[in-house]
Parts: sequence; structure tokens; C-alpha cells
Amino acid sequence: NAGVMQNPRHLVRRRGQEARLRCSPMKGHSHVYWYRQLPEEGLKFMVYLQKENIIDESGMPKERFSAEFPKEGPSILRIQQVVRGDSAAYFCASSPDRAITSPLHFGNGTRLTVT
Amino acid sequence: GDSVTQMEGPVTLSEEAFLTINCTYTATGYPSLFWYVQYPGEGLQLLLKATKADDKGSNKGFEATYRKETTSFHLEKGSVQVSDSAVYFCALFDQGAQKLVFGQGTRLTINP
Repeated sequence: NAGVMQNPRHLVRRRGQEARLRCSPMKGHSHVYWYRQLPEEGLKFMVYLQKENIIDESGMPKERFSAEFPKEGPSILRIQQVVRGDSAAYFCASSPDRAITSPLHFGNGTRLTVT
Repeated sequence: GDSVTQMEGPVTLSEEAFLTINCTYTATGYPSLFWYVQYPGEGLQLLLKATKADDKGSNKGFEATYRKETTSFHLEKGSVQVSDSAVYFCALFDQGAQKLVFGQGTRLTINP
């Protein structure tokens, strides 16, 4: 059984470019969470999605950030016009249902560096 | 909203030392509690969990007990190894917001 797959592992972008981060949840999981980890800090919740729906985006910056989880294909976290402060590790996690009785399963993250 | 406060790091110990990493939480209701571990360059892995008061989670020699009276979930290990060097995160599942809330993490380094 494949775990949560994130790609790319490392992404380098210049200021002003777009970053696209992909997350394929575990098989059978229809709930996806994105977290951001700034250097030497904990994980901060960004957004919670189900297939074709954004359930909670209270942790997403109001501008430049968007997320989707289409009916087919991976979840995408998109950052437009990246700035240096966007440099961080972005982790995706999945679960089989909303009221989790089993813990979230995390991917290995995408480490974004903005130069 | 719910929150988690962890002992600040970094923590450096010698091999075979006793480990405690403190974790306290603030929550309405009785959330499930977790410890996750992050090895260098990797994602988070679940280490152990407890879902109700007085439950003890254990795995790989690590233990933590859900203490409702002190709102704590301290992580302990009797004899640490170099391979335990990692960042440890305490977390709770916020039932109201339906998401995991993490502490800031504690970096642990074990020297041979």
C-alpha cells in the first residue's frame, strides 16, 4: 500500500514565479489536509479538502494561495507570485473520513525554496 | 481554539539517558492526543496516541499518558538511543474544527 505521495520533494522558484505542489492521498482516503512548516517552527494548518470541496481554508493566506482536490487526480496547492517568506516545507496528510478515529497519514513533504 | 504547548528545545542527552518531553494542551471537550516524530528530511510519523483520559499510548519504548486533571500528555522513554534523534511533535485533534493542532516541536539530539 502506497502512502501519501507528494511531489516534487524539492522545488526552487524565483520570486514572482508560481509554485505547484501535488499530493496523492493514500488509497481509499478522500480527506486531505495541507500544513506548512516554517524553518525551526511547528506545523501550521492551512486547508482541509474533500473531493471537489474546500471544507476549511482558515489557515490559508488570503492572497496568492489556493488549493483544490478534484474528482480525479491529486490535490494541488498553488502559490502564485512567490515571495521569500513562502520558503518552507509543505506537508500533505490524508484520512479516510472526517471524524478521524485513525490518525492522519503524512507525506514526506515538498520543500520550497524561493530565491 | 484548541492549542498545544510543548517543552522548548533543543534537548541534548547522552545515550541511555531518561527522556521526558513535556506537553500540555488547552481544549474544549476531550480531544484525542498524539505524538508524532519527524526524522531529518522526512515527513511526520505517528509515534503513539491516546483517545481518552488515563489512556497510555506506547510504541518503540516511548510512552505518554493522557492526564485530564493536568491537561498533559508528556512523552517519556527510559533509555534513549542515538537513532531517537529527531523532532517530536505533540498534537491534539480539535473536534470542533476537525483538524490536528500541533505544538511547536522539540528537537532531540542523542549523543553516543
